[in-house]
Amino acid sequence: QKEVEQDPGPLSVPEGAIVSLNCTYSNSAFQYFMWYRQYSRKGPELLMYTYSSGNKEDGRFTAQVDKSSKYISLFIRDSQPSDSATYLCAMNRDDKIIFGKGTRLHILP
Amino acid sequence: IAGITQAPTSQILAAGRRMTLRCTQDMRHNAMYWYRQDLGLGLRLIHYSNTAGTTGKGEVPDGYSVSRANTDDFPLTLASAVPSQTSVYFCASSDRLNTEAFFGQGTRLTVV
Repeated sequence: QKEVEQDPGPLSVPEGAIVSLNCTYSNSAFQYFMWYRQYSRKGPELLMYTYSSGNKEDGRFTAQVDKSSKYISLFIRDSQPSDSATYLCAMNRDDKIIFGKGTRLHILP
Repeated sequence: IAGITQAPTSQILAAGRRMTLRCTQDMRHNAMYWYRQDLGLGLRLIHYSNTAGTTGKGEVPDGYSVSRANTDDFPLTLASAVPSQTSVYFCASSDRLNTEAFFGQGTRLTVV
């Protein structure tokens, strides 16, 4: 079983919809959780990070962590064509950061 | 603008040649990393540095070397390039090792 699993997509949704992106993980040692956005031919950009279970909100983005289920989500409200990108989850333990392989998201105008 | 600068942006390199990818950060972060990103394989850690003067091996270190002479710079050297090293290389940094990292814009390397 991989330590971090992320559906590669692509996920296509209409503009204005709520987007839900998810990752599951197997190692309960992970301490905190990150989401990155990567546009084509660009470097990953840190969107959000959180240490604890529950929700963390930043503008149109909400990161949710459920440690009991080993499941994290990123919600995007009022999605825009500019949100079209690959989204990578990441989580750390003491010795490394593990990245998911990313979900490609297309927002349809 | 604060951040990470990588050079060159792209490069075509003959197999067997030596190449150094440059990375500079101005955030005074202690930790720095080199990743390669390949389709279907995601981001894989090549080497990292916890602080100036120390380096460590990541998941795929063979064929690569790094040095960390000061806080800001973390060059990655391919001693004798091979076609399997064709990839997009990202440098990243974080305040502490294995915490939220900030990435550069990448170097697209093609070894022919």
